[in-house]
Amino acid sequence: SYELTQPPSVSVSPGQTASITCSGGKLGDKYASWYQQKPGQSPVLVIYKDDKRPSGIPARFSGSNSGNTATLTISETQAMDEASYYCQAWDSSLGVFGGGTKLTVL
Amino acid sequence: QVQLVESGGGLVKPGGSLRLSCAASGFTFSDYYITWIRQAPGKGLEWVSYISGGGVTMHYADSVKGRFTISRDNAKKSLYLQMYGLRAEDTAVYYCARMDGGTHPGFFYYMDVWGKGTTVTVS
Repeated sequence: SYELTQPPSVSVSPGQTASITCSGGKLGDKYASWYQQKPGQSPVLVIYKDDKRPSGIPARFSGSNSGNTATLTISETQAMDEASYYCQAWDSSLGVFGGGTKLTVL
Repeated sequence: QVQLVESGGGLVKPGGSLRLSCAASGFTFSDYYITWIRQAPGKGLEWVSYISGGGVTMHYADSVKGRFTISRDNAKKSLYLQMYGLRAEDTAVYYCARMDGGTHPGFFYYMDVWGKGTTVTVS
C-alpha cells in the first residue's frame, strides 16, 4: 500500500522559515494537500492541489510538489503556527495521510 | 454557515457494532463527496472511507473493508458509518469532512470542511 513519510518533528525560531517534507513514491504525479491540527481541535486545510491556499490561510503558507517529495513551507513563522501538520494524497482512489509533523516554534 | 456535526460515538465492547452519523448544513449536500477520517488517541490521521455525492461510489481503507459501511441520505443531509466487528484498534475520534476538488485533471480532492468529531471507544 502507498505510504507518505514525514519527519516526526521540526523546530523553528519565530520569524524564520519552516519546511516540512512529505515523501512518497512518485508523489509529484499526484496532488498533495496539507492540514494543520492544533491540540484538541479538528484539522484545518492549509494547502490543496500542491500549492493552492484556501481563503483565510495566510500567505506565509506555501506548498510545492515534485519528484517524490511535497513540501510545506511556512515563512516568517509565528507562535500561532505551532501545531501538527499532515500531508495527504490519493492513491488509486484511496486516501493516504503522512504520519504527521509536530512543528515547534521556539 | 457551512457545518458538519458528528454523533453516535460511545463505548462498545470488542465485536460490537455502532452507527455514526454526520449532519450537514449550509451547503448543497448532494453536490459533494464526503469522507470519514479517524484519529486514534495520540496518533495521526487515518483515512477511513468516502462516498460520492450520489452515493454510487464508495471506497474503504483496507483496515475497515468488510467491517464498515458508508452511506448517505441526501434528503436528510446526513452521512453514516455503520461499524461492525469493532476492535480495540478502532478506538479513535471519527471526523466527517467535506471533499472538494474533482477528478480532472487527476484526482485532486481535498477536505475543506471538518466536523468536530465523535469519539468511539472499543473496550
